[in-house]
Amino acid sequence: EAGVVQSPRYKIIEKKQPVAFWCNPISGHNTLYWYRQNLGQGPELLIRYENEEAVDDSQLPKDRFSAERLKGVDSTLKIQPAELGDSAVYLCASSPGTAEQFFGPGTRLTVL
Amino acid sequence: QQQVKQSPQSLIVQKGGIPIINCAYENTAFDYFPWYQQFPGKGPALLIAIRPDVSEKKEGRFTISFNKSAKQFSLHIMDSQPGDSATYFCAASKNNQGGKLIFGQGTELSVKP
Repeated sequence: EAGVVQSPRYKIIEKKQPVAFWCNPISGHNTLYWYRQNLGQGPELLIRYENEEAVDDSQLPKDRFSAERLKGVDSTLKIQPAELGDSAVYLCASSPGTAEQFFGPGTRLTVL
Repeated sequence: QQQVKQSPQSLIVQKGGIPIINCAYENTAFDYFPWYQQFPGKGPALLIAIRPDVSEKKEGRFTISFNKSAKQFSLHIMDSQPGDSATYFCAASKNNQGGKLIFGQGTELSVKP
């Protein structure tokens, strides 16, 4: 069974530029999560989707971050404009509706 | 109340030793406690998880001990190997929040040959 797929794996951008991350969850997993992991810290939830509906986006900085999950499968997380403090690893996870969450390899973002 | 506190921050053991990593939580509504293993450049991988209705769970060389009254749980790695060297995260969630995981700060484990 294929795991969670994320791309790109690495991204380096100048501050104030836009950036987008893509996630393909495990087949059949209706719940999708985006987490941010700062260096030396545990992941923190940004947004959770149940199918195509965002059911928890309370931690998403909505002034610059946006996300979508069209058709309830793939998801895209966007930052516009990026700030220096956005440098982190952005992790996507999916779940089959149970408590278990399965993470992708993440996208390491560096904002210069 | 949403925090999960993890210790130690780093740990060095000899091959064959039994590293123990501890976590404490405050929110009694948490009812799912997983441990994740993360290698550099990789995403966290689910190792083992426990629910508060049991005090211990074993899967291979990994054991979770759970103390509901103390609101603490720990990970034990039996017969540790150099390949176990990684960062370990404990986490907690409430099912009624759809599994939002609250992570500890992580423990960097090094197993020396």
